[in-house]
Amino acid sequence: GAVVSQHPSRVICKSGTSVKIECRSLDFQATTMFWYRQFPKQSLMLMATSNEGSKATYEQGVEKDKFLINHASLTLSTLTVTSAHPEDSSFYICSATSGLAGGSGANVLTFGAGSRLTVL
Amino acid sequence: QKEVEQDPGPLSVPEGAIVSLNCTYSNSAFQYFMWYRQYSRKGPELLMYTYSSGNKEDGRFTAQVDKSSKYISLFIRDSQPSDSATYLCAMSAPRAAGNKLTFGGGTRVLVKP
Repeated sequence: GAVVSQHPSRVICKSGTSVKIECRSLDFQATTMFWYRQFPKQSLMLMATSNEGSKATYEQGVEKDKFLINHASLTLSTLTVTSAHPEDSSFYICSATSGLAGGSGANVLTFGAGSRLTVL
Repeated sequence: QKEVEQDPGPLSVPEGAIVSLNCTYSNSAFQYFMWYRQYSRKGPELLMYTYSSGNKEDGRFTAQVDKSSKYISLFIRDSQPSDSATYLCAMSAPRAAGNKLTFGGGTRVLVKP
């Protein structure tokens, strides 16, 4: 089955530094990757959609300059949290899709294991 | 009102019981319905995927979709402690803009030995 690898699984950084999180599709080409943020005991909040070779589409309220997304290849997308602050501490999860599920037009996502960011 | 409503729980059941989960939604354009399971501090994993109305069974899991009522369900038979997790419903419309899924808030399930 499809596998998405996310790294690092946990990162602790000082306030003001930047942190990069990688999301890789291991056995399929991901035309689209999604980045989510999840607070404790809450559901997934979509931050942005990234398509290979083009700029990411950010959801309303998500700062583009704070959360830089790059999708340079069909198997890799990165999220960089720039000048991180304690309020950026969260669980960040990526997901990927190769497109259609059985030609039905559905968008079945495969998720990474998530990255827990703690900003001191 | 959220597009997808899901009771947050927690839903506590004894081992061996049937777990019944559901979501309601308001967007009649939704055609694709999924259930994901998420263990604590892990990414969600796909459990079931159904298209339009009807039932689908996979082992101990049964997914039901009633589009006329805008209501979907997931049943887990013979529940095990390892089924303790948060269950998220998700859905999308055909050729949804950006291929986005809309998630429910998740229901936390506890299966007690």
